[in-house]
Amino acid sequence: GAGVSQTPSNKVTEKGKYVELRCDPISGHTALYWYRQSLGQGPEFLIYFQGTGAADDSGLPNDRFFAVRPEGSVSTLKIQRTERGDSAVYLCASSFVGNEQFFGPGTRLTVL
Amino acid sequence: AQSVAQPEDQVNVAEGNPLTVKCTYSVSGNPYLFWYVQYPNRGLQFLLKYITGDNLVKGSYGFEAEFNKSQTSFHLKKPSALVSDSALYFCAVVPSGYSTLTFGKGTMLLVSP
Repeated sequence: GAGVSQTPSNKVTEKGKYVELRCDPISGHTALYWYRQSLGQGPEFLIYFQGTGAADDSGLPNDRFFAVRPEGSVSTLKIQRTERGDSAVYLCASSFVGNEQFFGPGTRLTVL
Repeated sequence: AQSVAQPEDQVNVAEGNPLTVKCTYSVSGNPYLFWYVQYPNRGLQFLLKYITGDNLVKGSYGFEAEFNKSQTSFHLKKPSALVSDSALYFCAVVPSGYSTLTFGKGTMLLVSP
């Protein structure tokens, strides 16, 4: 069956630009998560959706980061005024609540 | 706050030998514990989880992990390593009642022929 998909797979942008990263979860999964993985590190939690609402956004580093999930399925992570320090692999995962999370392949963001 | 420690950056083992990848955790209450594997240019793949019950958990690809509450450890094991097991392994914890994973920094497993 189809797994979690993320687009684009790679994104190169210039400092100060706006970017959107998309996540398509596994059909039927009510929970959706965004993580960020820097080189040589484990993934770090950003935000968690239960349905359409953000149940926990405590991992968002600052107000330049925002995410939506308007219909309870696809989610978009939005980053304004990108900085070089935002360069990382952004991972999306989905699950049934309380079960193991299934991860997408990630979007590699490079801010020049 | 919860945390996960993977004390080894890299583990080297010969094919056919047993392997262990270490993980210790710190969390309030009863933890849910997970192991994920990451192959190059691919997403994280779920291997196994401990929620409750038997301390020895069996997972995908012949891997197993032992939950030790007194030592707050959840080491990943396999009786006989394969070259194809070479990958980056992550241990993760979720405090009971929560949903988001806290990961260790990962351990690279290299299995030589």
